[in-house]
Order: sequence, then C-alpha cells, then structure tokens
Amino acid sequence: QKEVEQNSGPLSVPEGAIASLNCTYSDRGSQSFFWYRQYSGKSPELIMFIYSNGDKEDGRFTAQLNKASQYVSLLIRDSQPSDSATYLCAVDPETGRRALTFGSGTRLQVQP
Amino acid sequence: ETGVTQTPRHLVMGMTNKKSLKCEQHLGHNAMYWYKQSAKKPLELMFVYNFKEQTENNSVPSRFSPECPNSSHLFLHLHTLQPEDSALYLCASSQEDVLRGLSNQPQHFGDGTRLSIL
Repeated sequence: QKEVEQNSGPLSVPEGAIASLNCTYSDRGSQSFFWYRQYSGKSPELIMFIYSNGDKEDGRFTAQLNKASQYVSLLIRDSQPSDSATYLCAVDPETGRRALTFGSGTRLQVQP
Repeated sequence: ETGVTQTPRHLVMGMTNKKSLKCEQHLGHNAMYWYKQSAKKPLELMFVYNFKEQTENNSVPSRFSPECPNSSHLFLHLHTLQPEDSALYLCASSQEDVLRGLSNQPQHFGDGTRLSIL
C-alpha cells in the first residue's frame, strides 16, 4: 500500500465550479498535511497546510482533514483556468526526524 | 522568484562526465533536501540535511554524492550517471521545529535543474 494516495486524474471541471481533490494516507500517526500546486515544468508551490481535524479556509481554497478516516481534501471554489495544474498532497510520516511523503499528484483541468 | 535558488536550470551531460548541482536558500532555514522527479512519478526524496548533518539517504546510488557545507548551501555531485537518471532535480528547504520534529514544517522548493543524460 502506498503511503500517500491520490487519484492521478485528470480531473476536469468547468470554469466557476468547485474542484474537489482527495488524498488518503496510511500512517495513522501523521500530524501535518500540506497541499502543493505544480504547474507543468515548474517546481511545487505550497498553497495550504492543515494540522487539525476540520476545515481550514484561505481565499478560494479549503483544506479538509479527517484523521479518523485518514483523508485530507482540497476544495477550490470558483475554479479558474489558471488553477489547471497538478496538486500534490504531502504528509508527515508520524513523529521523528523524517521529511514529508508526497503523493503522485492529481492533475486538474479547468475548462473555460 | 523563490527563496531557494538552483543552478544550473538545465544540464545535459554524458554518462562519463562529472558535474555538480547547486542549491542556495535565502530563507534562514536549517534543513535542506534533494528530490528527484521523473515523468509521471511522485517526488522521490533523495537526501535530507538537518543543521548540515545528513539525516536521511533513501538508498540513493553512490553516483549521487551530496554535500552541505553550511545550512544555506547544498550541492549534488554527479558522476557516471545512467540514462534513467534523467529527471528534474529539486532542492527544498524548511525550518525545523525542535519540539515537533522536522516534517511538521512546510518545504519551500527551488525551480529545479532539468538533467538529461546522453
């Protein structure tokens, strides 16, 4: 079982719709969760992080965390063509001095 | 412009060449990372340096040799690479939270070096 799983997509949504991106993780002790956006040919850019169960909102982005079910999601409201990118979920592998574990990413396409 | 600068942006080398990738972070962070990203594959962690000490080596072949002279600079020395080593190599940095541990903090990435092995 992969440590961090994401649907590779592409996820296609019309402009103005809500895009919902999901991520599941296997390490029950994980405490920190991050969403990165990566445009083609570019490096990952941090857009959200969440540590506690529930929702965290930042502009058009909402991160949702459910530790009991071991999933974290990212909602993008009023999707724009400029949101078209690959979204990477990253999770800390429980306690200890180790780096984040990344999922393979979900490619989002926002259709004008 | 990011706080993490990588050079060169592109590198083409033969299998017998020796080259080095450079990373410099201007964020005052104390941890630095090398990742490999191949097409249609997840980011692969290669090395982690924390306070200039290597804390992780994810079974990386010895043809990749990291060097961290101080907390702001990180190098990846390359020699006798293979065609399958062609990829985007990303450097990242973060600030370690001593109480919570390394992975609690977000990582900030450089723009990467696109490496092609002939």
